[in-house]
Amino acid sequence: DTGVSQDPRHKITKRGQNVTFRCDPISEHNRLYWYRQTLGQGPEFLTYFQNEAQLEKSRLLSDRFSAERPKGSFSTLEIQRTEQGDSAMYLCASSRSTGGKQFFGPGTRLTVL
Amino acid sequence: GESVGLHLPTLSVQEGDNSIINCAYSNSASDYFIWYKQESGKGPQFIIDIRSNMDKRQGQRVTVLLNKTVKHLSLQIAATQPGDSAVYFCAEITGNQFYFGTGTSLTVIP
Repeated sequence: DTGVSQDPRHKITKRGQNVTFRCDPISEHNRLYWYRQTLGQGPEFLTYFQNEAQLEKSRLLSDRFSAERPKGSFSTLEIQRTEQGDSAMYLCASSRSTGGKQFFGPGTRLTVL
Repeated sequence: GESVGLHLPTLSVQEGDNSIINCAYSNSASDYFIWYKQESGKGPQFIIDIRSNMDKRQGQRVTVLLNKTVKHLSLQIAATQPGDSAVYFCAEITGNQFYFGTGTSLTVIP
């Protein structure tokens, strides 16, 4: 257990529905990252926060995706109008500082039917 | 049938043997590298890291070697155990960006 938690661990939804995932980082970490991982691939960067500020977003993050970290602690990732191609593991990680080692949560596995 | 998308390099070793997992990175400006272990259904777990000003770093049963000339990273696991069976990823860090390789699936044969 790295200290990063994610909820839910599994989510099955129908195409077109909205889903929201939550990540609770290690408490003293001010950086929080979201990744997407598909079967047989390494994690792909989506976005990251420094405290409550979202500093960078990948081109993978389409307009249907939005992430927030309102108080600089937990973060949410919302996917609107889900598509089958959104099916993946969504990983959250946190770190103390720029370029520091990232500690990952267990992930949320999303299945879009 | 064959699983589409599963093209992980694989490595099988006998329990007790040493394992070497290799990774080629792309950006010569990357200054920090991490090896992660990922077991099925879990998030990646930190194993060991190395800065670009070093060429070798040792941990408990693991050693990371960095060859900046050919942009190559390796992870050596000594006396491999069944619990080492997992997918291993190298990550190269450039500034604020983490880039993960495809991963290598290690299977330890008892």
